[in-house]
Amino acid sequence: QKEVEQDPGPLSVPEGAIVSLNCTYSNSAFQYFMWYRQYSRKGPELLMYTYSSGNKEDGRFTAQVDKSSKYISLFIRDSQPSDSATYLCAMSASRDGNKLVFGAGTILRVKS
Amino acid sequence: DGGITQSPKYLFRKEGQNVTLSCEQNLNHDAMYWYRQDPGQGLRLIYYSQIVNDFQKGDIAEGYSVSREKKESFPLTVTSAQKNPTAFYLCASSRRDRGYNEQFFGPGTRLTVL
Repeated sequence: QKEVEQDPGPLSVPEGAIVSLNCTYSNSAFQYFMWYRQYSRKGPELLMYTYSSGNKEDGRFTAQVDKSSKYISLFIRDSQPSDSATYLCAMSASRDGNKLVFGAGTILRVKS
Repeated sequence: DGGITQSPKYLFRKEGQNVTLSCEQNLNHDAMYWYRQDPGQGLRLIYYSQIVNDFQKGDIAEGYSVSREKKESFPLTVTSAQKNPTAFYLCASSRRDRGYNEQFFGPGTRLTVL
């Protein structure tokens, strides 16, 4: 069993839809939770970062962490075609951010 | 502009050859990392270095080697011992302050073995 599980998709939605992306994990030592966005043939870029449990909102994006269920989510409101990318969840138990463990990534396609 | 550069963007290698991928950063970061990305598998850590002249194996170090002689440079050599080297290779760097430190990624090198 992988340490971090993420449905690879692809997930296809119409423009304006609310998108929900999720990851589950098995290591209870994870404290730092990240979502990266990766466009085709590019390096990932950090989208959201959350420490421990709770919610964090940034514009159209909301990240949620439920440590009791070992489950994290990323919500995208009013999705746009420019949101079409691969979304990778990543987690770390280390205080200095070393050794991130990544999910497989979910391919999102937003149709105009 | 500060950032991470990787070269070349595309690399072709014949079986049995060693190749070296370049990674340079001008962010003054202490820590640097190499990841491998395969379709449907996310990113897997190959090697990482927290300081000059020191580095540690990640989860899939077999068949790879690195050096860290300068703070800004962390080259990765893919040796002939790596059985399936065709992949997308990503270099990243971060600070080493207390608490969370964001990893910044380069644009990647796509290696294909012919």
